[in-house]
Amino acid sequence: DAGVIQSPRHEVTEMGQEVTLRCKPISGHDYLFWYRQTMMRGLELLIYFNNNVPIDDSGMPEDRFSAKMPNASFSTLKIQPSEPRDSAVYFCASNARGANNQPQHFGDGTRLSIL
Amino acid sequence: GENVEQHPSTLSVQEGDSAVIKCTYSDSASNYFPWYKQELGKGPQLIIDIRSNVGEKKDQRIAVTLNKTAKHFSLHITETQPEDSAVYFCAAGMEYGNKLVFGAGTILRVKS
Repeated sequence: DAGVIQSPRHEVTEMGQEVTLRCKPISGHDYLFWYRQTMMRGLELLIYFNNNVPIDDSGMPEDRFSAKMPNASFSTLKIQPSEPRDSAVYFCASNARGANNQPQHFGDGTRLSIL
Repeated sequence: GENVEQHPSTLSVQEGDSAVIKCTYSDSASNYFPWYKQELGKGPQLIIDIRSNVGEKKDQRIAVTLNKTAKHFSLHITETQPEDSAVYFCAAGMEYGNKLVFGAGTILRVKS
């Protein structure tokens, strides 16, 4: 089975530019999570969705960050405008709850560098 | 909210020895405790998890113990091998489908 798929794997851009990260969750999973990983702050949850609806966005650092989930198989995390301090690895994870309880499965992340 | 502390931050063991990583959590409502292994350039991969109605769970060389009263849980790896070298994260939360809070991670080095 295909796992969580993220694109791009690497992104290098200049500050001020818009950045869009993409995620395809595992088919059948109804929860989707966006995380950011840095040396200083570790792995922190930014936002998560259930059935395409945002449930908790308290981890989104500021208004420059936004996330959408237009359908069950696709989500985006957008940063506009980007800043050097946004440089990090961004992970997407998904899982299923209910009769088909499954733990969170992570993608391999997007390494973002803002110059 | 939940807070998870993980120790040690780095651990170096000789091949064949055991490794133990410990975590404490703050929210007594948490009832699900997974452990993830992260290799360089990869996302965290689940290696074992435990729910609060169980005190211990084993899977080959890996075991996890949970003490709900003391709010701590531990990962035990026996007969370590070089391929066990990675970063290990503990996490705590409320069952599947809810958010997890992660520990800061432990860098495990297995020397051959």
